[in-house]
This record gives sequence, structure tokens and C-alpha cells, in this order.
Amino acid sequence: DVKVTQSSRYLVKRTGEKVFLECVQDMDHENMFWYRQDPGLGLRLIYFSYDVKMKEKGDIPEGYSVSREKKERFSLILESASTNQTSMYLCASSILISGNTIYFGEGSWLTVV
Amino acid sequence: GNSVTQMEGPVTLSEEAFLTINCTYTATGYPSLFWYVQYPGEGLQLLLKATKADDKGSNKGFEATYRKETTSFHLEKGSVQVSDSAVYFCALSDRMNYGGSQGNLIFGKGTKLSVKP
Repeated sequence: DVKVTQSSRYLVKRTGEKVFLECVQDMDHENMFWYRQDPGLGLRLIYFSYDVKMKEKGDIPEGYSVSREKKERFSLILESASTNQTSMYLCASSILISGNTIYFGEGSWLTVV
Repeated sequence: GNSVTQMEGPVTLSEEAFLTINCTYTATGYPSLFWYVQYPGEGLQLLLKATKADDKGSNKGFEATYRKETTSFHLEKGSVQVSDSAVYFCALSDRMNYGGSQGNLIFGKGTKLSVKP
């Protein structure tokens, strides 16, 4: 089975802190994604990566950056956390073919106080 | 651009009732269509998919048929159970022209289903 593992399920951070959300997949997938999920807004794509060191902005990249130094690992970085970044963050991966299934991690609940 | 519209919830049903969650899409070309399910406190899991017109995806008693003429992919189940209580997301594949990469999904906003005993 494909496994996408997010390092932290629940985090509480202070405004202005730098926050790292880590994600690892074990299926040698080329694509990796970071989404944000909010009530009434569904899932919104923050960033994605299709190869090591490659990254592309999604729909809501402002306030976020990403890092992909190894194929299996994709990190989401909040340079200076703000309260409006309180949300559920979902990491996902897929192979490099359109129409293929995307596999999700269990999510990371981030609260910024 | 591509988009997905699904019926707003929440939907509340009694156990063994018939379920329909409507999903329509706008897309160029021939996308693949998906239903994902999110159980409380968890990430999303693929429920079923269809890759071309008239295909029927099915899993765990759920079904959805890819209808190109009506641009729809409605989710149905004949007899729901309490354990089906979850949020259901309709999605379509998108083509991302970043270095030749493909594979993002466009999601609807989700429909919350609650099944009462």
C-alpha cells in the first residue's frame, strides 16, 4: 500500500514562529503536493513539486514556501506563522501521469495563536 | 478553467436510506473523475474513479457513472450505514504544464454526510 506520512498530526505555534511541516512518501512518486483544507472552502493547492528541487505555486502560495531535496520528502514552510494560517494541511503524492490517483497523508492540524 | 461543483451539505440520512450526492464538472478535454472520502480526523482516501465517458466506478457499495453528455459524476449508494458518515469530495484531473508534469486534482468543496441509526 502507498503510504504518505506527515510528521505531526497536531501542532500549536505562536504568531511569527517559523513552522516546518514534513511529509514522506514511500512509493517513489514523482509528484508531491501540499493542500490546505478549510470549512466551506474545500481543498486548495498551496504548492506542488514534480521532481527533486522543482516546485511550482498552486492557488494560494502566499506566506508559504516548500523544499524538496529528496524525492521521497516534501516540506512545507511557514516563514512567519500568522493566525489566518490556522488550518488542516494535507500532503499528497502521485505518479507523473495525468488522471492517476493522488494519495493523501492523514493531515496536520496547525493552530497559530 | 476546470472546476467541480457538488451539492452542499450537510446531508442527514437514516440508516439503509438511498444516497445521492450530485457532482458536475467543467473541463476541457477528457479528464478523469474521482470521489474521495474523508472520515473524521483523517486524510482523504480514494473511494472510486472513472477515466472515460460511460465508465462506472464502484467500491464499498458506492457507484458513480461518468456522464459526458451531462458533465456529471453523481455518487450513489443503495443503503447507507452509520459507518458511511464522512465528508465526500468529487474531483477531476487537471493538466499542469510545469516541466511536462501532470497530475493535480481539482476538488469540489465537499459534502458532509451524517447517517443516523
